[in-house]
Amino acid sequence: DSGVTQTPKHLITATGQRVTLRCSPRSGDLSVYWYQQSLDQGLQFLIQYYNGEERAKGNILERFSAQQFPDLHSELNLSSLELGDSALYFCASSVLASYNEQFFGPGTRLTVL
Amino acid sequence: AQTVTQSQPEMSVQEAETVTLSCTYDTSESDYYLFWYKQPPSRQMILVIRQEAYKQQNATENRFSVNFQKAAKSFSLKISDSQLGDAAMYFCAYRSAAQGAQKLVFGQGTRLTINP
Repeated sequence: DSGVTQTPKHLITATGQRVTLRCSPRSGDLSVYWYQQSLDQGLQFLIQYYNGEERAKGNILERFSAQQFPDLHSELNLSSLELGDSALYFCASSVLASYNEQFFGPGTRLTVL
Repeated sequence: AQTVTQSQPEMSVQEAETVTLSCTYDTSESDYYLFWYKQPPSRQMILVIRQEAYKQQNATENRFSVNFQKAAKSFSLKISDSQLGDAAMYFCAYRSAAQGAQKLVFGQGTRLTINP
């Protein structure tokens, strides 16, 4: 158990819908990262937040957005869902430092039908 | 932009034998970190081993060790005395040491099968 929690574990929805994925980082970790794992794109970095502020952006679609709340939990919002958005979405957390390990949550499996 | 390449989509090894997984990367930076992550069927991403680019000594963690060749931009993982529980996808990952650059760049993965 990494100490990072993600809910829900599984999500099945239809095209065009909107979903919210939730992540709680390890106690004391200020930085949260979102990654997408799909069959065709592999593991890709989406976005990073540090202490409530966006720190870095990767290959995140405009239909996707995220935020980190004062209690440090984070949410990834996916809207206007397409079949190709089906993937495993990971959240990871770390202490922002020059040398730090990212601890991954168990992931949320999103299926868009 | 940095890239990570794992040229072996699949590998297999007999239980108790040794196997080496390959990884190469491309970067213009001199300071960075390299990682190997394991993803078993549970899908959990588990850190196996990490290497700082400024260290010449290869990292080791019990049965896992790396061969880090900075000039060749190569970072292979050796698993000794392979066990059935080692069966998983293995991902090589790169992270810049630059301030604020925290994202991991992953390779495509190598699926490791352990034959009993």
